[in-house]
Amino acid sequence: QVQLVESGGGLVKPGGSLRLSCAASGFTFSDYYMSWIRQAPGKGLEWVSYISSSGSTIYYADSVKGRFTISRDNAKNSLYLQMNSLRAEDTAVYYCARGVYSYGIDYWGQGTLVTVSS
Amino acid sequence: DIVMTQTPLSSPVTLGQPASISCRSSQSLVHSDGNTYLSWLQQRPGQPPRLLIYKISNRFSGVPDRFSGSGAGTDFTLKISRVEAEDVGVYYCMQATQFPFTFGPGTKVDIK
Repeated sequence: QVQLVESGGGLVKPGGSLRLSCAASGFTFSDYYMSWIRQAPGKGLEWVSYISSSGSTIYYADSVKGRFTISRDNAKNSLYLQMNSLRAEDTAVYYCARGVYSYGIDYWGQGTLVTVSS
Repeated sequence: DIVMTQTPLSSPVTLGQPASISCRSSQSLVHSDGNTYLSWLQQRPGQPPRLLIYKISNRFSGVPDRFSGSGAGTDFTLKISRVEAEDVGVYYCMQATQFPFTFGPGTKVDIK
């Protein structure tokens, strides 16, 4: 069955960096696009970034552009999010999500909490 | 960016009764490929979101048939024919037609 397991979250000071990982299993990772989506405590969902199946096409939300970098390693069935210059407003649960070109995002991971605080 | 709005934002429902949630987009969600990438997600308390409906009206694998989606262009509806206790949670519409992907604010469904 499809599994997406995020890791790498934690407490970091403003201005600090963190790298999130998402381990995928149960499907052919290289056939799907992937996204990171976040949810601040008690708030709604915010799309963060997209990477195509090959990694050749990448998009970011304006709120993270220039600070976050998405990447993937299809040989390792893994998705990453490098987060730099973190701000308090980046505090959220970060979800890794799988996307199908023919209909959109279908599976979500359990999420990893990132807390940016001094 | 495409703005997604939902009404109502809160929906207390009696068990066994129907519920309906509306979602409106600020511009047409019809993609250049002819598809409309409008999805409905359910988020139960303490859980990640789960896909219910994709491309307006297609139920995802394992989703009960009491959930249905309809609409076109900029106006969409999610209906639950008979609400069960396990349906409590927040429901989001989401568009994946255009970047950035965007979500509605969510509709909280709970039991009266």
